[in-house]
Amino acid sequence: AQSVTQPDIHITVSEGASLELRCNYSYGATPYLFWYVQSPGQGLQLLLKYFSGDTLVQGIKGFEAEFKRSQSSFNLRKPSVHWSDAAEYFCAVGRTNTDKLIFGTGTRLQVFP
Amino acid sequence: ETGVTQTPRHLVMGMTNKKSLKCEQHLGHNAMYWYKQSAKKPLELMFVYNFKEQTENNSVPSRFSPECPNSSHLFLHLHTLQPEDSALYLCASSQDRAGGTEQFFGPGTRLTVL
Repeated sequence: AQSVTQPDIHITVSEGASLELRCNYSYGATPYLFWYVQSPGQGLQLLLKYFSGDTLVQGIKGFEAEFKRSQSSFNLRKPSVHWSDAAEYFCAVGRTNTDKLIFGTGTRLQVFP
Repeated sequence: ETGVTQTPRHLVMGMTNKKSLKCEQHLGHNAMYWYKQSAKKPLELMFVYNFKEQTENNSVPSRFSPECPNSSHLFLHLHTLQPEDSALYLCASSQDRAGGTEQFFGPGTRLTVL
């Protein structure tokens, strides 16, 4: 069965520092991969997605993610974090023939000034 | 209103109460979803509707009863809930059910069962 693992429950960074959030997936074929962000009191907002092609994907708010098939990973990165990036980040994997998304448990990002 | 809206935003109910959660999408989408978000657990897909027809029920207890009168509206009727049902209930919609279609989420209803 497919699954998504986000090994870091909570990450704290200083404003202006770089960020990398980890995501590993288990799926037999090439999956559809997503990163969503959830700010306090809000629903989930799509940051970026990967279906095929270039393995480095650019998203909104200055985020990017890289698909590495050999490592079954889809890590999210941002070169310089802003205080407004403090939120919870969810990685998700979808299958090609269904709309069902499998979500990870999320990583809470805290940003210090 | 734009996007996906949910009402109420907060709900406190006793175990014998009956209440309903409402979701409305203003995006012209054909598929709608209910998710349950509990602390320290992955989002759990509960129900999927496509063109008003229920296409997935993820072994959800019968005390949760969904209703989709049209492609824009989705309800979750609640009765005789348990304290462990306290969670954030998220509604989402997507253009269709094709694999990888982006889902748009509402802000959720924070439910507390006493």
